[in-house]
Amino acid sequence: SQTIHQWPATLVQPVGSPLSLECTVEGTSNPNLYWYRQAAGRGLQLLFYSVGIGQISSEVPQNLSASRPQDRQFILSSKKLLLSDSGFYLCAWSPQGDGYTFGSGTRLTVV
Amino acid sequence: DAKTTQPPSMDCAEGRAANLPCNHSTISGNEYVYWYRQIHSQGPQYIIHGLKNNETNEMASLIITEDRKSSTLILPHATLRDTAVYYCIVRGTNYQLIWGAGTKLIIKP
Repeated sequence: SQTIHQWPATLVQPVGSPLSLECTVEGTSNPNLYWYRQAAGRGLQLLFYSVGIGQISSEVPQNLSASRPQDRQFILSSKKLLLSDSGFYLCAWSPQGDGYTFGSGTRLTVV
Repeated sequence: DAKTTQPPSMDCAEGRAANLPCNHSTISGNEYVYWYRQIHSQGPQYIIHGLKNNETNEMASLIITEDRKSSTLILPHATLRDTAVYYCIVRGTNYQLIWGAGTKLIIKP
C-alpha cells in the first residue's frame, strides 16, 4: 500500500535561518507531488507541484523553493526564513489525475 | 480563487445526519467534486468524490444536483469524532485542487 512520510512534525526556526522539509512516498511510482501551506484557520494554499523528477511548478512567488531529486522525494527549502513563512506545511501525492493523500504535516514557527 | 462556496460553520447533534452544502456554480463538465476533512493539526483526509452521479462509501454519501452547480455531503450518523473542517473542492488544471476555507462542523452531544 502507498504511504507518505513527512518530517519533522514541528519546527521552530529563527528569522533568516535556512529551511529543509522532506517528504517521501512509498508504494507508488511517478506520483504527482505537492507542497501546501495552511495559515491558522484558513484553507490550503498550493505552493509547488511536481509531475516528475526535476519538474517543479510554482504557484505563488515567495522565498521558498522546491526540488524533486528522486521520483518519490520532494523537498521544500528556503535560504532565509521570514516571519511570514510560519504555518502548517503539508506534502501530498496523487496518482496521475486522481485525489490526494496527505502527509501528517509540519508546523513551522519562525521566531 | 476557490471555485466553491461553503458555509463557514455548522452544528449537528450526535447521531443525526450531517448535511454539508457546497456551491460550485462555475464547475466545468469534466471537473470532479472532491470532499476532504481536516481534524485539527492533521493533514486533510479524503472522504469522497463524484462527477455526476450520487456516490456512497463507508464514510459518507455525496449528492450532486442535476445541473452540477451544487452538492451535499451527508454523514449519515454523525459522531463526536466527525468534528472537523470539511472542504468541498473542484479539480483545477494540472490535477490541482483549489481549496476554499471549508465548513467547520461541530458535532454536539
